[in-house]
Amino acid sequence: GIQVEQSPPDLILQEGANSTLRCNFSDSVNNLQWFHQNPWGQLINLFYIPSGTKQNGRLSATTVATERYSLLYISSSQTTDSGVYFCAVTGKSTFGDGTTLTVKP
Amino acid sequence: DTEVTQTPKHLVMGMTNKKSLKCEQHMGHRAMYWYKQKAKKPPELMFVYSYEKLSINESVPSRFSPECPNSSLLNLHLHALQPEDSALYLCASSPIPGVLTDTQYFGPGTRLTVL
Repeated sequence: GIQVEQSPPDLILQEGANSTLRCNFSDSVNNLQWFHQNPWGQLINLFYIPSGTKQNGRLSATTVATERYSLLYISSSQTTDSGVYFCAVTGKSTFGDGTTLTVKP
Repeated sequence: DTEVTQTPKHLVMGMTNKKSLKCEQHMGHRAMYWYKQKAKKPPELMFVYSYEKLSINESVPSRFSPECPNSSLLNLHLHALQPEDSALYLCASSPIPGVLTDTQYFGPGTRLTVL
């Protein structure tokens, strides 16, 4: 099956810093989502982005399908951004292992 | 309304109990999913229902029994569970089964503890 790898596994930032999270996938995909899982376990949709670039406030994402990777950018991070960020190839219901982000005040 | 609801939020059960988890969506989605998530791990797919029919069973033990009574409702019946089944159980839905461009929407999960 398809492999989804995320990096880095853990990231600690000071409030206000920017960050880039990466997702590599082993095969061509038609659907890729980024999620944020909050401390209570809720998976929140951030982006559905099989290709191209999207922006939503301080967050943006880019997927280069031909090179099999996606990037999630978080700018001016806030403590509420803390949690686990997953990318998932939702057509295969396959998740990466996640990046745990901690934003310190 | 882009919401998937799950009840209960928390469940504690003994190994001899029978209980059920419930998931509901009113977005007109025709695919519904159960995932299991252990601590510090990603969600793992258990079952997929497409148009109210079971389309994927990821070799899940028979002590987990899914049911889809109608297009809005998904249940997971639990019987004779083991302590290692303790996990967060997540339900999701997506608009059109079998279309590779689906977006999945997740409920808040049921945190299950088996004693």
